[in-house]
Amino acid sequence: AQTVTQSQPEMSVQEAETVTLSCTYDTSESNYYLFWYKQPPSRQMILVIRQEAYKQQNATENRFSVNFQKAAKSFSLKISDSQLGDTAMYFCAFCPLGYNTDKLIFGTGTRLQVFP
Amino acid sequence: GAGVSQTPSNKVTEKGKYVELRCDPISGHTALYWYRQSLGQGPEFLIYFQGTGAADDSGLPNDRFFAVRPEGSVSTLKIQRTERGDSAVYLCASSLLGGMNTEAFFGQGTRLTVV
Repeated sequence: AQTVTQSQPEMSVQEAETVTLSCTYDTSESNYYLFWYKQPPSRQMILVIRQEAYKQQNATENRFSVNFQKAAKSFSLKISDSQLGDTAMYFCAFCPLGYNTDKLIFGTGTRLQVFP
Repeated sequence: GAGVSQTPSNKVTEKGKYVELRCDPISGHTALYWYRQSLGQGPEFLIYFQGTGAADDSGLPNDRFFAVRPEGSVSTLKIQRTERGDSAVYLCASSLLGGMNTEAFFGQGTRLTVV
């Protein structure tokens, strides 16, 4: 079975500081995508960052970066210079390739609170 | 439209009733997805459309759930004989072509409450 585990139900960080959210996944596939999504109270899922498993270089998007460890099946998200608007639920997600589907498998999420 | 639109935003229904949830994807997007998000959980895949056809419906939990996309644009998720366990937020997403190298854009969901 393919699963995604987020072991931190809640995290908090002070504004301008750095925080890291953890994610591990289980799969026998060698080719896949990994994602981090943000879900504010509006419920709309917003893509934060995407990583292709065959790329060794860690993805970065402005203040967001990942630490992708393929052998360890770990995919953590680092948020630098945290802002109040980063307060939200964050979901890690996995998509295997090679099947006729685009379904995402999500973890249970981490609630991030940014304090002033 | 500018984004994925889902209607209604909230729906309360009685156990045993039939409900329809609507999703208007971004214009021109061929791929459309439905997910269900129960309280305190991550979204769970239900069905994926490519054009008018369901490319993957493996996530539909049982035969009370059905989804259509007759013209390759708007999609309707239909739930028969609703049960209290169907209470959740139902999320819809669309992407230009499908495939994980194109971004999927989500709507704000429909919160379904079965009483």
